[in-house]
Amino acid sequence: EAGVTQFPSHSVIEKGQTVTLRCDPISGHDNLYWYRRVMGKEIKFLLHFVKESKQDESGMPNNRFLAERTGGTYSTLKVQPAELEDSGVYFCASSQIPQGSRFFGPGTRLTVT
Amino acid sequence: GQNIDQPTEMTATEGAIVQINCTYQTSGFNGLFWYQQHAGEAPTFLSYNVLDGLEEKGRFSSFLSRSKGYSYLLLKELQMKDSASYLCAVRGFNDYKLSFGAGTTVTVRA
Repeated sequence: EAGVTQFPSHSVIEKGQTVTLRCDPISGHDNLYWYRRVMGKEIKFLLHFVKESKQDESGMPNNRFLAERTGGTYSTLKVQPAELEDSGVYFCASSQIPQGSRFFGPGTRLTVT
Repeated sequence: GQNIDQPTEMTATEGAIVQINCTYQTSGFNGLFWYQQHAGEAPTFLSYNVLDGLEEKGRFSSFLSRSKGYSYLLLKELQMKDSASYLCAVRGFNDYKLSFGAGTTVTVRA
């Protein structure tokens, strides 16, 4: 069974540019989560999808971040315009049920210069 | 919110035992997770505790005391491949998001 995959693995962009991160959850997992780890800090929750619906987006830092999950399969996280403080590793995770174990992807390392 | 504390670093010798402590202060509690993360890789699920007591899984065991807001991960018979970051995470009661500690980097020496 394929695990959670994320694309790209690394992205380097300039301040003010736009970047879109993609996450493909494990097939059949209705629950998809985005997390972020900023340098030197702990991993922090961003948002939670159940199928195509946003269940909880309380962790989204501001309106420069837009997450979508059209069709309830893969998800994208767009940052527009990117700021220096957005640099970090963005993790995606999925689970069959909300109470279940989360399976994490390898993350996308975003560097904003 | 959640406040989760764990040591930053630990070093141990191959074959030895290491115990990683995690304390938490939460507005609600619905389970504690331990993850292992090697550099540049995905966090990998190790254990889950929701009731008090010890859960054993091979060389890894995890303990929880809800009244004390305390958990530990015990790694026995350490191997070089156990060198990694170990993350403690707490799930809230009315939501499903995980709150993570900053992680403990364990270095296993020969």
